[in-house]
Amino acid sequence: TQLLEQSPQFLSIQEGENLTVYCNSSSVFSSLQWYRQEPGEGPVLLVTVVTGGEVKKLKRLTFQFGDARKDSSLHITAAQPGDTGLYLCAGVRIGGAQKLVFGQGTRLTINP
Amino acid sequence: GAGVSQSPRYKVAKRGQDVALRCDPISGHVSLFWYQQALGQGPEFLTYFQNEAQLDKSGLPSDRFFAERPEGSVSTLKIQRTQQEDSAVYLCASSFVGDGYTFGSGTRLTVV
Repeated sequence: TQLLEQSPQFLSIQEGENLTVYCNSSSVFSSLQWYRQEPGEGPVLLVTVVTGGEVKKLKRLTFQFGDARKDSSLHITAAQPGDTGLYLCAGVRIGGAQKLVFGQGTRLTINP
Repeated sequence: GAGVSQSPRYKVAKRGQDVALRCDPISGHVSLFWYQQALGQGPEFLTYFQNEAQLDKSGLPSDRFFAERPEGSVSTLKIQRTQQEDSAVYLCASSFVGDGYTFGSGTRLTVV
């Protein structure tokens, strides 16, 4: 059983559409991070959220941490082909030291 | 260096061979992590160092896997008597305490 469940696992949409990726758990996290990974490269950190209810924006990307710090979402507005990639959520559990656990990822394809 | 450097980028090993994967973290980063990533999946935690101390090795799949960081900087992940199920991308990440992780580009290991 995956500690962090991401949905959907695959998403293919047209350029200009909006989308939301979800990251859910039954565990409480001290922080949650979102990464983007390109083929042949390591994950690159997009954002870290640490406070329940926190919302952070990065251009067309909006990240939210759930009030109970068990879940998070990533919303992309007006998706572009350059947004294509593997999106990973990852969290540090309460009492988990610095050990980061990852979801299985959402493979996003934006079609021109 | 400016980023986390991993070598080799690609490694093909015959089943039963021993391999050694190297990680050169960002200078000054105290924490170093090794992850294993199967194709299309999120990274799975292997082990974690703080300076030269290995604080968590709970993710190492078997006693064929061994990691060290003798001087608190460069780390080596060694896999003895490789098997086909060891084929994966091995990612190294480093961080300064409390910051997000910076990942290397990984080593793709193929066991034939």
